[in-house]
Amino acid sequence: QIQLVQSGPELKKPGESVKISCKASGYTFTDYAMHWVKQAPGKGLKWMGWINTYTGKPTYADDFKGRFVFSLEASASTANLQISNLKNEDTATYFCARARAPYYVMDAWGQGASVTVSS
Amino acid sequence: DIQMTQSPSFLSASVGDRVTINCKASQNINKYLNWYQQKLGEAPKRLIYNTNNLQTGIPSRFSGSGSGTDYTLTISSLQPEDFATYFCLQHNSFPLTFGSGTKLEIK
Repeated sequence: QIQLVQSGPELKKPGESVKISCKASGYTFTDYAMHWVKQAPGKGLKWMGWINTYTGKPTYADDFKGRFVFSLEASASTANLQISNLKNEDTATYFCARARAPYYVMDAWGQGASVTVSS
Repeated sequence: DIQMTQSPSFLSASVGDRVTINCKASQNINKYLNWYQQKLGEAPKRLIYNTNNLQTGIPSRFSGSGSGTDYTLTISSLQPEDFATYFCLQHNSFPLTFGSGTKLEIK
């Protein structure tokens, strides 16, 4: 069955970096793009952008340009999100979700990876 | 960017009730509208895709409708497991945008 399994919770200090992984199984990894979504505590969902798993090209939403990097380990069917120079407002759960328009947009999600930024 | 205005933000209802949740887009999204259910501490689960297509495995009491800028999720007869938060997502154009969510609570 289709699964997206994300890495575990992280506790970081402001200014540090974090890398979150999302390992896919049950389908051909390069047939679907991978999207990233942020959910701050008690808030709604915010789309961060996506990465083309075939070419490796990332696309970032405006609010996530600069400190956020999407990358792949295609041989391991894994997508990664790295956040540098962490700020308190990066405290959130980050979800990966696969997509292939128009019928398979975010039809499967990872379980979420919690990042807490605190001094 | 397309703004998604979701209403209501909170909804109190009883088991067996019929409820509707609405999303209004700031421009035509050509029926590229998905609905998700999210329970506390869990990932969102897709219920409906492209306005009115039921995700495999989702009970038929969930249905979707709409066109243009206005979309609706209907739950025909609430069950205890349906009390959760619901979001819409437009995927007509980038950036993808979500509604702000509807928290469905037991009356």
